[in-house]
Amino acid sequence: EIVLTQSPGTLSLSPGERATLSCRASQSVSSSYLAWYQQKPGQAPRLLIYGASSRATGIPDRFSGSGSGTDFTLTISRLEPEDFAVYYCQQYGSSTGYTFGQGTKLEIK
Amino acid sequence: QVQLQESGPGLVKPSQTLSLTCTVSGGSISSGGYYWSWIRQHPGKGLEWIGYIYYSGSTYYNPSLKSRVTISVDTSKNQFSLKLSSVTAADTAVYYCARVAGYCSGGSCYSPFDYWGQGTLVTVSS
Repeated sequence: EIVLTQSPGTLSLSPGERATLSCRASQSVSSSYLAWYQQKPGQAPRLLIYGASSRATGIPDRFSGSGSGTDFTLTISRLEPEDFAVYYCQQYGSSTGYTFGQGTKLEIK
Repeated sequence: QVQLQESGPGLVKPSQTLSLTCTVSGGSISSGGYYWSWIRQHPGKGLEWIGYIYYSGSTYYNPSLKSRVTISVDTSKNQFSLKLSSVTAADTAVYYCARVAGYCSGGSCYSPFDYWGQGTLVTVSS
């Protein structure tokens, strides 16, 4: 099973600032099968990024993903008030199904 | 616009079987091309994938839950269902159904989840 470790656990920033979230895999993620989701309280996760760097439909271009192999990054260029939430990375394509990281909480400073 | 809606009991007794149904609207499960999944989230915790099903009935389960999980499909009702047997308090979670945005083969799925239900809380308690 591929284990995903996200850092930091909590990130405190102000609106307008840049956010950088990290996801590290215990082994290489094949073909960059790495996604990012945003989850707000009481809501289901929302797909932001797939294939490590492709934005899902309707996702603003302030969200970008990068990385390959075992190290991946989600960047939010200028934080809007609605961006404060929990973010999860997820790998897919492995022979034992999907796994998720433990999440990074992005909170208002 | 595809929509998914979970339904089922919110309270299950220990050792019993948890049963949930996901109703899909805005698209037909039997049209193929997509796989359908269950995911759960323990209170205040991260996400755990449970398994998937195709409209043909082909399934794959998370190895850690495989011995207790059954996922089935009813194409006539455009629904798929989850059964989790011998539940304990550790199975208390919000259960989500979701659509896999593409193809799966064995344990390998090559797409993330693009549509999710809103989730339903199941509490295991006597």
